[in-house]
Amino acid sequence: AQSVTQLGSHVSVSEGALVLLRCNYSSSVPPYLFWYVQYPNQGLQLLLKYTSAATLVKGINGFEAEFKKSETSFHLTKPSAHMSDAAEYFCAVSAGSGSARQLTFGSGTQLTVLP
Amino acid sequence: EADIYQTPRYLVIGTGKKITLECSQTMGHDKMYWYQQDPGMELHLIHYSYGVNSTEKGDLSSESTVSRIRTEHFPLTLESARPSHTSQYLCASSLPSSGNTIYFGEGSWLTVV
Repeated sequence: AQSVTQLGSHVSVSEGALVLLRCNYSSSVPPYLFWYVQYPNQGLQLLLKYTSAATLVKGINGFEAEFKKSETSFHLTKPSAHMSDAAEYFCAVSAGSGSARQLTFGSGTQLTVLP
Repeated sequence: EADIYQTPRYLVIGTGKKITLECSQTMGHDKMYWYQQDPGMELHLIHYSYGVNSTEKGDLSSESTVSRIRTEHFPLTLESARPSHTSQYLCASSLPSSGNTIYFGEGSWLTVV
C-alpha cells in the first residue's frame, strides 16, 4: 500500500519569496514520485518526476524537488515565486510501472502568490 | 509529452440524459485512465485500461462505464445523468517506459441540472 500526505491545503507567499510545498509519502517499495500543477479549469500538467535517478530533480517553471528517503519526503521548492505560479499542486506516488491503481495522489495544495 | 484531447470541455445537461465524454490520445499509450475531481478537491481514479478490450474500475465507485475498442480512444458514458454526477472528469494516459508518468487532458466539466 502507498499513500501521500501534502501538509497544508493552502499556502500563501509573497511574490519573490521562496515557495515550499511539502509532500510526504509511504510506500513498501522504492517509489516513483511526481509533482503536478493544475491551473483553474485545466487538467494537470507534469512539473517534475523522480524515478530513482538523481535525488534532486529539476522541473519546469523553475521548480525543483528533492527526494529524501530517510525523511520519506519529496518537497517542492522554487526560490522566487511569481504571480503566475498561483495554482493547485498535487504530489503523487507510484510503486513503479505497474497498474494505474498504484498511482496515488495527495489532496493538493493551493498556492496563492501575494503581490 | 502526450497529446490527449477531451470533448466536450464544458457540458450542461438535464437529469436523466445520456452523455458520453470523449477522450483520445495520439501517442499510442497503452494505459488510459479516467479521474473524477470535484472543485478544489483531490483526484479519484474511477476507471482505467491496460489496452484494447481491457477496462477496470478504479478506487472510487462510479455509475459511469467505459470502453476501449481502439488504443487511442477511451470514452466514458453516463446512461442517466444525475446532479450528483456534476464534477470535472480528467482523462489521462501513460507509458510504462516513462516510469508510468501519467499525462492528462484538459478535463471535461459536467454540470447536471
